[in-house]
Amino acid sequence: DTEVTQTPKHLVMGMTNKKSLKCEQHMGHRAMYWYKQKAKKPPELMFVYSYEKLSINESVPSRFSPECPNSSLLNLHLHALQPEDSALYLCASSQLGTRNSQRGNTDTQYFGPGTRLTVL
Amino acid sequence: GENVEQHPSTLSVQEGDSAVIKCTYSDSASNYFPWYKQELGKRPQLIIDIRSNVGEKKDQRIAVTLNKTAKHFSLHITETQPEDSAVYFCAATGSNRDDKIIFGKGTRLHILP
Repeated sequence: DTEVTQTPKHLVMGMTNKKSLKCEQHMGHRAMYWYKQKAKKPPELMFVYSYEKLSINESVPSRFSPECPNSSLLNLHLHALQPEDSALYLCASSQLGTRNSQRGNTDTQYFGPGTRLTVL
Repeated sequence: GENVEQHPSTLSVQEGDSAVIKCTYSDSASNYFPWYKQELGKRPQLIIDIRSNVGEKKDQRIAVTLNKTAKHFSLHITETQPEDSAVYFCAATGSNRDDKIIFGKGTRLHILP
């Protein structure tokens, strides 16, 4: 099973709403990622979790709050978003990740289908 | 940090002809180079990847070549078909060998009937 799933597929929210995006994988992968993708642009890395610890935060505004409840799940909590945050939010996972100060080898990232977010 | 340049941004080829997309990277320590295909409204899907210990890899109509000295790698699609129309992204590992990959800006490939 090489499937990464994401819910919901589409989300429309107002600027005062709080919502969450969910991602799940059952491949035993230990690194999970959140990306934001605008139209006609490449995916833009937001966060990386490695062995359930936040390892990379690409200076993302605090209105985006990631959470990794366990090795299979990754959430992205949204609060007080702006219209310019409207985009496709992609989750990805890969088999290997860095652990503490050890350097790991980057491995293949498998993407979920994404959540199309519209902020009104 | 790593920087990946991708060319061309748009490519149109006649069905049955070959398509070549080229990328360069800046970090000589990068050792993993995946290529993703993204159809409209769909997720990026890995189509082929290459590691720095090989110079070429082929999978049916798709091949990737890597020149470590020149720090460039290319995607070759032969006998193109209408279903090859999509956006293709090259990528390379970032510096510090962490879990980050850096994407090129993408190439929109149109297969003309």
